Amino acid sequence: QSVLTQPPSVSGAPGQRVTISCTGSSSNIGAGYDVHWYQQLPGTAPKLLIYGNNNRPSGVPDRFSGSKSGTSASLAITGLQAEDEADYYCQSYDSSLSDWVFGGGTKLTVL
Amino acid sequence: EVQLVESGGGLVQPGGSLRLSCAASGFSFSSHWMTWVRQAPGKGLQWVANINEDGTHKNYVDSVKGRFTISRDNARNSLYLQINSLRAEDTAVYYCARHLIGHLTFDIWGQGTMVTVSS
Repeated sequence: QSVLTQPPSVSGAPGQRVTISCTGSSSNIGAGYDVHWYQQLPGTAPKLLIYGNNNRPSGVPDRFSGSKSGTSASLAITGLQAEDEADYYCQSYDSSLSDWVFGGGTKLTVL
Repeated sequence: EVQLVESGGGLVQPGGSLRLSCAASGFSFSSHWMTWVRQAPGKGLQWVANINEDGTHKNYVDSVKGRFTISRDNARNSLYLQINSLRAEDTAVYYCARHLIGHLTFDIWGQGTMVTVSS
């Protein structure tokens, strides 16, 4: 059981917009800790996609955006492309566990 | 090029030990916290341990405390994870990753090294 909860899967057609939710609690996201997002393409290492809730590292397309509110966060992907098909993970810090914590991951399928 | 390259994984019997290494290049290694994250086959990501810039402060997830030891050698630009008393549930790809300065997250990841615990 992951500390952060994500839907197991989402899907969308090319060009569409999809969102992936990440729900935490008062000891992590709700405590004010930032949410970060990773993209993991099949057979590869995770790649930082969004940091500090809504910041994109250099090279990440602006089709990817993040937001945070209360004890939850979301990753939005617009103009869906076939190459976006991957697993996406949210991550934060939990003060009760004193651990860096991840969501269980969401598999994005581009139809 | 900023790069992390892990090594040292393999097949080990339950109760055995391994030492994982992570060679860093292309950045000031001694300026960054470093971390180990693992991923069991077909499963999600789990943070395992991290270490501060000079190696004086270390954190571990509860499930590995007392069995895993993280360390670093800044002169060699290298990060290590000594894993003892291995269990089947430790089977995973182990990634080393660099902490993004000023943020509780990881911006550079290695390609991972596979640890399989089986008799």
